[in-house]
Amino acid sequence: NAGVTQTPKFRVLKTGQSMTLLCAQDMNHEYMYWYRQDPGMGLRLIHYSVGEGTTAKGEVPDGYNVSRLKKQNFLLGLESAAPSQTSVYFCASSYAGREQYFGPGTRLTVT
Amino acid sequence: GQSLEQPSEVTAVEGAIVQINCTYQTSGFYGLSWYQQHDGGAPTFLSYNALDGLEETGRFSSFLSRSDSYGYLLLQELQMKDSASYFCAVRDLDSNYQLIWGAGTKLIIKP
Repeated sequence: NAGVTQTPKFRVLKTGQSMTLLCAQDMNHEYMYWYRQDPGMGLRLIHYSVGEGTTAKGEVPDGYNVSRLKKQNFLLGLESAAPSQTSVYFCASSYAGREQYFGPGTRLTVT
Repeated sequence: GQSLEQPSEVTAVEGAIVQINCTYQTSGFYGLSWYQQHDGGAPTFLSYNALDGLEETGRFSSFLSRSDSYGYLLLQELQMKDSASYFCAVRDLDSNYQLIWGAGTKLIIKP
């Protein structure tokens, strides 16, 4: 039982490049989330999903897209990376939205 | 809009008790969560309060007063491993029941 896993763990991008972050959970949770965390700050919700095939915008969705084609996977895409997207990205999942389980994070640097 | 306030840093002595406060402003409050995050790690769930009162889980307790828009996390018998950042987060109707996070309180424990 791996819980929530994220790949990759680290990535360096140049401005304008694209990439996809993958999140997988093996707890059969309906809810999945993508957050970003900047130094000294709390988490900010980018996008979330309340079930397979559904996605919704969070607090800071601009510049990101997501897909939830399978219940266990939630993908976060950056189409054209910008330095302002340098951050730590966390994926989380939840059974009913109350208690969230987090992956280890992806540290992304955009130069 | 929603806002949460918590102290940026709290210092305590090993073996002592410490209280971390959180005040919030929301128009559709649903519940208050607490998470712990060690440096370089992912957030981990500690507690959730939807109703007024005290919830106890081992050395940690969490309190909520909906009328005062206030909650706190109480840590007893502090251990060095409790050195971490602690985040309060509100589930709110206006954010479609998704979590809005505070900026976190860094707990420093001295021997």
